[in-house]
Amino acid sequence: GNSVTQMEGPVTLSEEAFLTINCTYTATGYPSLFWYVQYPGEGLQLLLKATKADDKGSNKGFEATYRKETTSFHLEKGSVQVSDSAVYFCALSPVTGGGNKLTFGTGTQLKVEL
Amino acid sequence: DSGVTQTPKHLITATGQRVTLRCSPRSGDLSVYWYQQSLDQGLQFLIQYYNGEERAKGNILERFSAQQFPDLHSELNLSSLELGDSALYFCASSASGQGGSPLHFGNGTRLTVT
Repeated sequence: GNSVTQMEGPVTLSEEAFLTINCTYTATGYPSLFWYVQYPGEGLQLLLKATKADDKGSNKGFEATYRKETTSFHLEKGSVQVSDSAVYFCALSPVTGGGNKLTFGTGTQLKVEL
Repeated sequence: DSGVTQTPKHLITATGQRVTLRCSPRSGDLSVYWYQQSLDQGLQFLIQYYNGEERAKGNILERFSAQQFPDLHSELNLSSLELGDSALYFCASSASGQGGSPLHFGNGTRLTVT
């Protein structure tokens, strides 16, 4: 079946540091890939997405590139802020078959300190 | 604000009881999803509806049931509650029920079973 593996957290960084959160997936075919962010007490918000190999999703300074050859979709940001502190989820959605069942990774908590 | 409304925000009930969680999707979205988030299981897909019809089913227990009404709102019914059902239950919606559609999440209902 489909699965998503994320690096364990928490990840603690100083403000303006470079961020990488690793995500790899297992799926048949060419799924769509997503990053969602969850702030305390809130639901998940879509951060970015990519729908095919070599696509780069980007939003609010975050980027991730769909790498079919390594089945990866790592999240990066060049300079994090305290306000980026949240839990980040990688997810995939198969584009074939019935329904739109998103499979999520376990989430990576990011803490950014001054 | 995602536009997805969930009620109630918090629910405390006893084992053996039955509860109903309600969700109003984003305006224009035809598909509704239910997810369960717990510390040990992470985010688990329960069920998806599209325009009133069940579209995909995940790890939903037989004690749980859901439906989507003609006005597109959805309800998740949990019965014979057990301590292990304590979790955050999220509703999400999307315009299309097709794979690859991004989901928009509500802020969740926190269920505590005592």
